[in-house]
Amino acid sequence: DAGVIQSPRHEVTEMGQEVTLRCKPISGHDYLFWYRQTMMRGLELLIYFNNNVPIDDSGMPEDRFSAKMPNASFSTLKIQPSEPRDSAVYFCASSAFGRGGYGYTFGSGTRLTVV
Amino acid sequence: GENVEQHPSTLSVQEGDSAVIKCTYSDSASNYFPWYKQELGKRPQLIIDIRSNVGEKKDQRIAVTLNKTAKHFSLHITETQPEDSAVYFCAVSLGAGSYQLTFGKGTKLSVIP
Repeated sequence: DAGVIQSPRHEVTEMGQEVTLRCKPISGHDYLFWYRQTMMRGLELLIYFNNNVPIDDSGMPEDRFSAKMPNASFSTLKIQPSEPRDSAVYFCASSAFGRGGYGYTFGSGTRLTVV
Repeated sequence: GENVEQHPSTLSVQEGDSAVIKCTYSDSASNYFPWYKQELGKRPQLIIDIRSNVGEKKDQRIAVTLNKTAKHFSLHITETQPEDSAVYFCAVSLGAGSYQLTFGKGTKLSVIP
């Protein structure tokens, strides 16, 4: 298995632009999580899905952030419009909790820089 | 929500010595406690985990101990090696039956050759 795949690895964009981050979870995993990592705040859960359905989005900072999971093999996190304070590493993780597995497998992350 | 405190924030040890990192949590219903290792510029990777019905778990040079009464758990690394240098994160499930993890702020471990 190729693991959790995220794209792009790095994204530099100007303030006000739309940014879309992508994630392909491990096949067969029924949970998908989006985390944001910064030096100040550590790893913060933004939203998670179970069987493609959003379960808890209370961690999404504001309306500028949205996430979708149209099918079991793909999810997006969109920021529109982007702001410099959104600069962080965004991780996607998947897990097979519903199938008896524990623990997350993280993707390689997307390093977002908003200038 | 769950509150996870991790200490220390930085730790330096001589190669061959042991390292101990401790986390405390607030929700007594939490039942899953994993530890992740993150090397510079890499993804967090699960290194060991423990469920609430177990007090200790070992995997070669690493071990995790859990004290549910006191609501704390610790990561122990013995015979440290330079490749153990990384940031280590503890995490706690958000209550019984929850699949959300709340992470500690991390401990930067440096192993000095």
